[in-house]
Amino acid sequence: GDSVTQMEGPVTLSEEAFLTINCTYTATGYPSLFWYVQYPGEGLQLLLKATKADDKGSNKGFEATYRKETTSFHLEKGSVQVSDSAVYFCALSSPTGANSKLTFGKGITLSVRP
Amino acid sequence: DAGVTQSPTHLIKTRGQQVTLRCSPKSGHDTVSWYQQALGQGPQFIFQYYEEEERQRGNFPDRFSGHQFPNYSSELNVNALLLGDSALYLCASSSGFEQYFGPGTRLTVT
Repeated sequence: GDSVTQMEGPVTLSEEAFLTINCTYTATGYPSLFWYVQYPGEGLQLLLKATKADDKGSNKGFEATYRKETTSFHLEKGSVQVSDSAVYFCALSSPTGANSKLTFGKGITLSVRP
Repeated sequence: DAGVTQSPTHLIKTRGQQVTLRCSPKSGHDTVSWYQQALGQGPQFIFQYYEEEERQRGNFPDRFSGHQFPNYSSELNVNALLLGDSALYLCASSSGFEQYFGPGTRLTVT
């Protein structure tokens, strides 16, 4: 079945550091890929998405590129802020399409120190 | 425009009891999905409702059931609660590609 694997956490960085969070997936067919963020006490918010190979999703300084050859969708940000502290989830939907169910990774907690 | 709302926020139940959680979708959305998020884990898909029928279902026992009303709101029912059902239950609504999540209901089974 479909699965998403995220790097082990937690991750602690200093403000303005470079961030990479690894995500790989297993899916039949060609899934759509997502990064969701969960701030303390809140629900999940869509951070960015990519629907086909080589697409780059971007939002709020975060980027991730859909790499079909390595089945990966790593999240990057050039300079993190304290306000980026949250839990980040990689997810896929397969088959790609409206209202397909989401399969999530375990999530990783990011803490950014001033 | 109100987003996805869920009630109650928190709930404490005893093992063996039954519980009903409620979700109101974002305006204009006709599809509701439910997810279970255990502590320290990613959300797991329970089921999805569209046009008042269950359209997809994840790997959850029949103790988990749901309903969607004509106004697209939805309920999640869990019977014969187990300690392992303690989790954050998330509702997501959609009308197309993107799913919008509510803040969740924290269920504690003692």
